[in-house]
Amino acid sequence: GENVEQHPSTLSVQEGDSAVIKCTYSDSASNYFPWYKQELGKRPQLIIDIRSNVGEKKDQRIAVTLNKTAKHFSLHITETQPEDSAVYFCAADDPFGNEKLTFGTGTRLTIIP
Amino acid sequence: EAGVAQSPRYKIIEKRQSVAFWCNPISGHATLYWYQQILGQGPKLLIQFQNNGVVDDSQLPKDRFSAERLKGVDSTLKIQPAKLEDSAVYLCASSLDLRTDTQYFGPGTRLTVL
Repeated sequence: GENVEQHPSTLSVQEGDSAVIKCTYSDSASNYFPWYKQELGKRPQLIIDIRSNVGEKKDQRIAVTLNKTAKHFSLHITETQPEDSAVYFCAADDPFGNEKLTFGTGTRLTIIP
Repeated sequence: EAGVAQSPRYKIIEKRQSVAFWCNPISGHATLYWYQQILGQGPKLLIQFQNNGVVDDSQLPKDRFSAERLKGVDSTLKIQPAKLEDSAVYLCASSLDLRTDTQYFGPGTRLTVL
């Protein structure tokens, strides 16, 4: 099955700076890669996703890049704000598993005011 | 649009007791997922339903965990008997159907086993 590794596990960034979180996956046939944000005690919420037919996707301050050859994808947050503080999870689908998602272990992002 | 609903939000039990969690997916969503999220880890899929049929339960500890979705809408997840290592947040998620990747999560049930 799919294996997803996520780095770093914790990340502290000055407010206004950029943050980058990276994930690698094992199954080259995976084609859907979502990112979820989970604030303390709350549900994971989808913030952006990318499919294998594109290399980059942006939504305001958030962008995701995908390198299928290297089997890694990254989340980029620019102009960080205190409300960006949360745990971020990447995931990859199992192409033979009926859209089953395998999640990374999470990155705790702290924005320092 | 109402989101995924779960209850209870919190549950504390002693080991060897039984517990059940309930999930109501977004209206019209055919696919329902139960995840276990241990503190500091990402969600791990336990079971996936398409309507009232099981699609994947390969990571469900079937000796103590069971789940059902009898009418293809609400679902219950049961643990009997509970162990200390079952302490976790149990998340329910739903998606429109198997061809739609986007999963929407409920608030979760935080289970503490003493």
